[in-house]
Amino acid sequence: SAVISQKPSRDICQRGTSLTIQCQVDSQVTMMFWYRQQPGQSLTLIATANQGSEATYESGFVIDKFPISRPNLTFSTLTVSNMSPEDSSIYLCSVQLSWDAGPGELFFGEGSRLTVL
Amino acid sequence: AQSVTQPDIHITVSEGASLELRCNYSYGATPYLFWYVQSPGQGLQLLLKYFSGDTLVQGIKGFEAEFKRSQSSFNLRKPSVHWSDAAEYFCAVDRRRALTFGSGTRLQVQP
Repeated sequence: SAVISQKPSRDICQRGTSLTIQCQVDSQVTMMFWYRQQPGQSLTLIATANQGSEATYESGFVIDKFPISRPNLTFSTLTVSNMSPEDSSIYLCSVQLSWDAGPGELFFGEGSRLTVL
Repeated sequence: AQSVTQPDIHITVSEGASLELRCNYSYGATPYLFWYVQSPGQGLQLLLKYFSGDTLVQGIKGFEAEFKRSQSSFNLRKPSVHWSDAAEYFCAVDRRRALTFGSGTRLQVQP
């Protein structure tokens, strides 16, 4: 398994500002993903964080709004830019430990609960 | 595109009763299917997974699920529910190593 630490665990932000969420894993991992869970909703994949290159975004998500970095195999950040109340969600970091792990063997952080006023 | 549907938004069962949570998938080939649980204030935890082979898979915490290709289903079961099982349950299908999640079923357990 893996220990995934996300910071901040929660925050309250003002409209128009930006917030960066950090995800730190206690071991090197092959793949890292960022998900969004809007209030009372399921999880939606935002992007795959690629080490050393630009993230791969899902339909409906763009780099200008959700820039992602992954400088190494244990760390990634997600920034929520120019926030609006619609961005109020839980943002979850997820990792796959190795290519030997089967598809879907993902581990999740506890999430960062973001409220935008 | 692969997708999963969880028809039940909310289920309430009595402690000690049996449980079945429904999940239907849409996928042309044999999918990789998963059940995750999200307890209040916690991250998601993998309960069990199906890749191939035996269609009845055992997971953690006494859960099991059965893959039925003819019904495009992967229902989660537990013979006797404990109060600590109260949580949100998500069915998911693999999609290029990421996951597509169903809408979730919230389980409430009555004493």
